[in-house]
Amino acid sequence: SQQGEEDPQALSIQEGENATMNCSYKTSINNLQWYRQNSGRGLVHLILIRSNEREKHSGRLRVTLDTSKKSSSLLITASRAADTASYFCAPGCGVIFGPGTSLSVIP
Amino acid sequence: DGGITQSPKYLFRKEGQNVTLSCEQNLNHDAMYWYRQDPGQGLRLIYYSQIVNDFQKGDIAEGYSVSREKKESFPLTVTSAQKNPTAFYLCATPDWYTGELFFGEGSRLTVL
Repeated sequence: SQQGEEDPQALSIQEGENATMNCSYKTSINNLQWYRQNSGRGLVHLILIRSNEREKHSGRLRVTLDTSKKSSSLLITASRAADTASYFCAPGCGVIFGPGTSLSVIP
Repeated sequence: DGGITQSPKYLFRKEGQNVTLSCEQNLNHDAMYWYRQDPGQGLRLIYYSQIVNDFQKGDIAEGYSVSREKKESFPLTVTSAQKNPTAFYLCATPDWYTGELFFGEGSRLTVL
């Protein structure tokens, strides 16, 4: 299992704007998962993307995966104050987590 | 509803005392994990169990102990040997097929 490295570490945007966060990893994977954590809560699974997929959508979420660059991105469109949370990527088996991206959406 | 439950949500401990955090799941998953999270940090793996009656140390096992006598239960004991136990503790269990981790709501331990 390996740790993903999220970037940026912190992101602050206005409500309605799009938020993009990135994840890099080191070794080949079969899939990659994104999680959200609201303050003081457990992590919640957002989306899984497999290595043979380049892009995946779920509501306002769009995830891309570039296996040649060993990177993934999570785009949240038309952000809301309720999207304020930390976001974590989990490459491969997904049991190790980096520091995440802390997203603040300002009303 | 299927899920994973942690208790208590908040716990205060005096120095020198052992405390046990509960983690129960009714998802019929084989594996269970314990993580520690410090403010502004990622999750660090304390212990994990792939099957009943078996468990392995994670990256930061010192000062902690676990048991796995039942498939649905994986309690974590924070012992007095843990030098800095104040933290947020999370329990999780993976779906074997997708790898998706299901997390509990966490237990916040404060040492007074």
